Amino acid sequence: GQQLNQSPQSMFIQEGEDVSMNCTSSSIFNTWLWYKQDPGEGPVLLIALYKAGELTSNGRLTAQFGITRKDSFLNISASIPSDVGIYFCAGQGPGNQFYFGTGTSLTVIP
Amino acid sequence: NAGVTQTPKFQVLKTGQSMTLQCAQDMNHNSMYWYRQDPGMGLRLIYYSASEGTTDKGEVPNGYNVSRLNKREFSLRLESAAPSQTSVYFCASTESWFEQYFGPGTRLTVT
Repeated sequence: GQQLNQSPQSMFIQEGEDVSMNCTSSSIFNTWLWYKQDPGEGPVLLIALYKAGELTSNGRLTAQFGITRKDSFLNISASIPSDVGIYFCAGQGPGNQFYFGTGTSLTVIP
Repeated sequence: NAGVTQTPKFQVLKTGQSMTLQCAQDMNHNSMYWYRQDPGMGLRLIYYSASEGTTDKGEVPNGYNVSRLNKREFSLRLESAAPSQTSVYFCASTESWFEQYFGPGTRLTVT
């Protein structure tokens, strides 16, 4: 299957710091999605990106669809304790299937 | 508005037993998906259904069968459970192919 490399695997940051994570693929994707998963819950959609070069914000979150269509990044500004969780990227590939990254675990230290 | 619901939340099976995981959505979405999530592996697609009456294999379909019972419901069946199927199973639905909404998951242990 498609491989999405997500980095970093984990982050430990102080409250108030900015966070940046990215996702790269060996294949071109038509859509990039970013999800957050809390323990014991299903992933919740944060941002959807539909066009190469697109930059989209959702509150303190900003994500970009890379020009090559093989990468995307997610930034979180001024982190707060409730940002703790696992963040996943996902790309829509051939056959309208979605492929997920392995996740970035974020810990925010108050 | 419940969104996507899954039953059961937890299940323990012995090797060789069978069971069906249930999923229902109340958002009138056409497409539904089943994923499994293993530590360090992200989510992997097992099967999906683009619309009522159709199903297609995903990345890891072996050992599973699915049924799209109607527009609302999409079930996943393990005919003969194996320890390698120990995982967390998520159902998702979407209208536009782009924005998937996930259920809370079923935690399955096969001993």
